[in-house]
Amino acid sequence: EVQLVESGGGLVQPGGSLRLSCAASGFTFSSYWMHWVRQAPGKGLVWVSRIKSDGRSTSYADSVKGRFTISRDNAKNTLYLQMNSLRAEDTAVYYCARVPSTWYDYWGQGTLVTVSS
Amino acid sequence: QSALTQPASVSGSPGQSITISCTGTSSDVGGYNYVSWYQQHPGKAPKLMIYDVSNRPSGVPDRFSGSKSGNTASLTISGLQAEDEADYYCSSYTSSSTLVVFGGGTKLTVL
Repeated sequence: EVQLVESGGGLVQPGGSLRLSCAASGFTFSSYWMHWVRQAPGKGLVWVSRIKSDGRSTSYADSVKGRFTISRDNAKNTLYLQMNSLRAEDTAVYYCARVPSTWYDYWGQGTLVTVSS
Repeated sequence: QSALTQPASVSGSPGQSITISCTGTSSDVGGYNYVSWYQQHPGKAPKLMIYDVSNRPSGVPDRFSGSKSGNTASLTISGLQAEDEADYYCSSYTSSSTLVVFGGGTKLTVL
């Protein structure tokens, strides 16, 4: 059974940092592109970042470019999102999702990041 | 980039059919057959319902169907059931650097 389990969310002050993790199981993690998608409270889904199966290609939304870094450890079947210089507008539930082609077939349960003083 | 345009809400009675539209441009919905739809119940993760415009993943009831005409994709749910009440999001491949864009979401109410 495919499982994606996010962790690392919490309350952080503006300007602070957090590292999110997404532990994958039930499939060959190293074969898939992985994305982070976020959802602000009461709002819609917004793409944040993606990483190629081998980790050699990454991309970011303009709103997080230069502040967030996506990475993966295929030996540990884990996806990461390092978030620095956090802002109030980064407050959201962050989901990791598996991408077999041009759609998201599995999502994690999400982890809430709250940026507030 | 701008999100795809969806109606904020739709409603229907049990047993009826409803359609949710998702309007983009020739750079996304109209340019590629890569539209997907997701169902999200409150407090839960999104669930894939339709991919590549009209394909249903295993386990999704055939009451759910997708189509596309020009720059507008549609999700149709026939034989509405109470458990279909949820938020629905469309997504499309896009030629912009992000490669993916979402709609703003539609709240489906089953009366």
